[in-house]
Amino acid sequence: DQQVKQNSPSLSVQEGRISILNCDYTNSMFDYFLWYKKYPAEGPTFLISISSIKDKNEDGRFTVFLNKSAKHLSLHIVPSQPGDSAVYFCAASARNYGGSQGNLIFGKGTKLSVKP
Amino acid sequence: DTEVTQTPKHLVMGMTNKKSLKCEQHMGHRAMYWYKQKAKKPPELMFVYSYEKLSINESVPSRFSPECPNSSLLNLHLHALQPEDSALYLCASRRGQDYGYTFGSGTRLTVV
Repeated sequence: DQQVKQNSPSLSVQEGRISILNCDYTNSMFDYFLWYKKYPAEGPTFLISISSIKDKNEDGRFTVFLNKSAKHLSLHIVPSQPGDSAVYFCAASARNYGGSQGNLIFGKGTKLSVKP
Repeated sequence: DTEVTQTPKHLVMGMTNKKSLKCEQHMGHRAMYWYKQKAKKPPELMFVYSYEKLSINESVPSRFSPECPNSSLLNLHLHALQPEDSALYLCASRRGQDYGYTFGSGTRLTVV
């Protein structure tokens, strides 16, 4: 049973346009959400996070939106650049979930391709 | 130093071999993690160490044996692995619950 879902395995966007990556979750105990970017043969690189007490967090070209009622979050990248091409993982954690104290649950990832 | 360093980057081992993966961080993070990632799959949690003590073992087979000798170092000892254990093994650390994880670049393990 997937607790964190990224239903789009891939996304292709033109350089300069907005990229929107979506993520849905099922566990209402999740209270902290993160986005990671991963290049082939490398470990995930932390991009941006958001706590459940917020509905938006912005860092440069990256903005994460959280809709708790819909159990949905999205990552907006604007403007998109070719160097943004990578796999993006959504991840969530919950305090004291099963005693695990905030371990990350990852979605399957969305491969973003930004075309010049 | 803001990195998690993993060695080796690549490892090929036979099913009868004993090898170890190493993870090191000098950020003062007291929680360290081992994740396993198969191709086209999300990372899956294996072990969690909190203040050098094993706090989570996600039903990992005993052929994987973690060790945390000090607050900066995390090892994963491998013995009698199977070809299906071939994967990218990721180490991560973080300062606390309100902080993001820092991942290493991983060890690409191939079991032959």
